Amino acid sequence: QQQVRQSSQSLTVWEGETAILNCSYENSAFDYFPWYQQFPGEGPALLIAIRSVSDKKEDGRFTIFFNKREKNLSLHIKDSQPGDSATYFCAASENSNNRIFFGDGTQLVVKP
Amino acid sequence: GGIITQTPKFLIGQEGQKLTLKCQQNFNHDTMYWYRQDSGKGLRLIYYSITENDLQKGDLSEGYDASREKKSSFSLTVTSAQKNEMAVFLCASSIVGGSNERLFFGHGTKLSVL
Repeated sequence: QQQVRQSSQSLTVWEGETAILNCSYENSAFDYFPWYQQFPGEGPALLIAIRSVSDKKEDGRFTIFFNKREKNLSLHIKDSQPGDSATYFCAASENSNNRIFFGDGTQLVVKP
Repeated sequence: GGIITQTPKFLIGQEGQKLTLKCQQNFNHDTMYWYRQDSGKGLRLIYYSITENDLQKGDLSEGYDASREKKSSFSLTVTSAQKNEMAVFLCASSIVGGSNERLFFGHGTKLSVL
C-alpha cells in the first residue's frame, strides 16, 4: 500500500497562475512533510517542509497547507514562472525512524 | 557547503552482469541512502546506512547489495542486471539520520541494460 499519494502525475498552468499540487498520506504517525523539487538530470532538492503541529508554512511564493484530520496537504505555487517547471515530490516521515516515504511526483509545466 | 558525487553518470550493462555504482559525500553526514527512480514513479528506498559499516534494507533491496566502506562513501551493486531495465539510481545523505532531517541528493546514475 502506497504511503504517500500525489493526485496528479502532471499539471500544466500558465505563467502568473497559482499551481496547486495535492498530496495525501496513510500513516497518522507521520509528522514531517517535505516537498522536494527535481529538475531534469538532477537529484531532488528540498523546497519547503511542514511539521504536523502547523497547518500552514509559507516561503516566498511557495505555501504548504496541511490538514491533519483529512491526512492531506497541498503545495501552492503563487505567480508560477516557467523556471518552476519541474517534478515535485511530496514526502512524509515519522520522527521515530530513519524512513522517508515519497509520492510518485507531479510534473509541473508552466507555460509562458 | 558540500557535494554528493555519483559515478558513473551513465552505466550501460548486459543482462546478468554485476554492476557497481559509487557515491561519495563531503558533508560529513552520518546517514547515506540509495534510491531507485523509475520513469513516472517516486523514489523507492533500496538500502541505507546510518554509520560506517552499517547496512539497513529498504523496500527494494532484493537484487542489490550495498557497502559502506567509510563514512564518506556508499556503494551499490546490482547483482544481476535485468534485460531492458532502465532506471536512475540516486544517492543521498543526511546529518543525523532522523527522518526529519534534510536529504541531499546526488545527480544520479542512469542505468540501461541491453
